[in-house]
Amino acid sequence: ETGVTQSPTHLIKTRGQQVTLRCSSQSGHNTVSWYQQALGQGPQFIFQYYREEENGRGNFPPRFSGLQFPNYSSELNVNALELDDSALYLCASSYGQDSYEQYFGPGTRLTVT
Amino acid sequence: GNSVTQMEGPVTLSEEAFLTINCTYTATGYPSLFWYVQYPGEGLQLLLKATKADDKGSNKGFEATYRKETTSFHLEKGSVQVSDSAVYFCALSVSGTYKYIFGTGTRLKVLA
Repeated sequence: ETGVTQSPTHLIKTRGQQVTLRCSSQSGHNTVSWYQQALGQGPQFIFQYYREEENGRGNFPPRFSGLQFPNYSSELNVNALELDDSALYLCASSYGQDSYEQYFGPGTRLTVT
Repeated sequence: GNSVTQMEGPVTLSEEAFLTINCTYTATGYPSLFWYVQYPGEGLQLLLKATKADDKGSNKGFEATYRKETTSFHLEKGSVQVSDSAVYFCALSVSGTYKYIFGTGTRLKVLA
């Protein structure tokens, strides 16, 4: 059974640029959630995708957007990067839109300069 | 709203000492409760969970009991090891919602 994978591992971008992060869900899972973890903080929920539809969103501006593909992998896109977007971005997969058990990937470390 | 409060760290212990990391929560509905561990440079790993009041989650010597009357889910381990050094996150998920609410994390340092 393949776990949750994310790419890239690390990324450095300049303020104002755009970035795309990728996530492959665990085998058999159809739901992907994205979280932002700032340094020294707990993860904050960005949004969730279930069967290619956005299923819920946290308190993040519209420049944070996402996609889920038919194979249930997912992308997180961030436009007009700001310095405060520097964080670890975590993807978690689960089965079903109301599953209480989510499995996390290793994360993508984004640095905005 | 839903929230999780954890004791601030860092917590520094000698090897074989007893560990307690406090976690309390506020939730509407009936939450499931979790402890996750994050080792340096890595993502989150589920350590243990409990889905209803009085349930005890346990794994790798760690335990936590879901206490509805005190809205708590404290993490304990009888004898810590250097390899337990990590950041520990308490989290909840409320049925009918779609997200985890995490605490701010507690860093544990175990000295040999």
